[in-house]
Amino acid sequence: GAGVSQSPSNKVTEKGKDVELRCDPISGHTALYWYRQSLGQGLEFLIYFQGNSAPDKSGLPSDRFSAERTGGSVSTLTIQRTQQEDSAVYLCASEEPPDTQYFGPGTRLTVL
Amino acid sequence: QKEVEQNSGPLSVPEGAIASLNCTYSDRGSQSFFWYRQYSGKSPELIMSIYSNGDKEDGRFTAQLNKASQYVSLLIRDSQPSDSATYLCAVPSGYSTLTFGKGTMLLVSP
Repeated sequence: GAGVSQSPSNKVTEKGKDVELRCDPISGHTALYWYRQSLGQGLEFLIYFQGNSAPDKSGLPSDRFSAERTGGSVSTLTIQRTQQEDSAVYLCASEEPPDTQYFGPGTRLTVL
Repeated sequence: QKEVEQNSGPLSVPEGAIASLNCTYSDRGSQSFFWYRQYSGKSPELIMSIYSNGDKEDGRFTAQLNKASQYVSLLIRDSQPSDSATYLCAVPSGYSTLTFGKGTMLLVSP
């Protein structure tokens, strides 16, 4: 079946602009996660959704970052007023209970 | 803060050898453990999960879990150059999130 999809695959933006990253999870998976991975670094947890609600937003690095999920399916991660340190690969994963996460291909964000 | 530790490597092994990758974790209550493989420029791919003490085998891969010592390992038999990647260990924490180690880079030379 179809896996997790993310769009765009690459995004280049100028410092100060807002960006939206999209994740389409595996059908039927109620849990969805956002991570980011900077070059040569490990995975950094950002936010977790169960259905449309986000019980754990503890990883969002600043109030410039927000995420929403609608219809228990597609999720959007928004970064406002992007900074160069936001440059990273943003990964989305959906979960097959218990705990088995499947990752999308990621969005590579470059902030100039 | 729950920790998952891995040696960053690189771990270099010749083709055909056994590669042994290790991971330690801090939360004694952890019940499930995952190994992901990440090729350069690609997203992590789940290759093994283990829930019980002992060994779990899947093809050339064997996951070993020792909860008393709080470590989990991944053995790759008959290593191939195509196994060259970064291997990430992950342990559940908090609400069903996963805490990932920083990964061990494996290099298999022909």
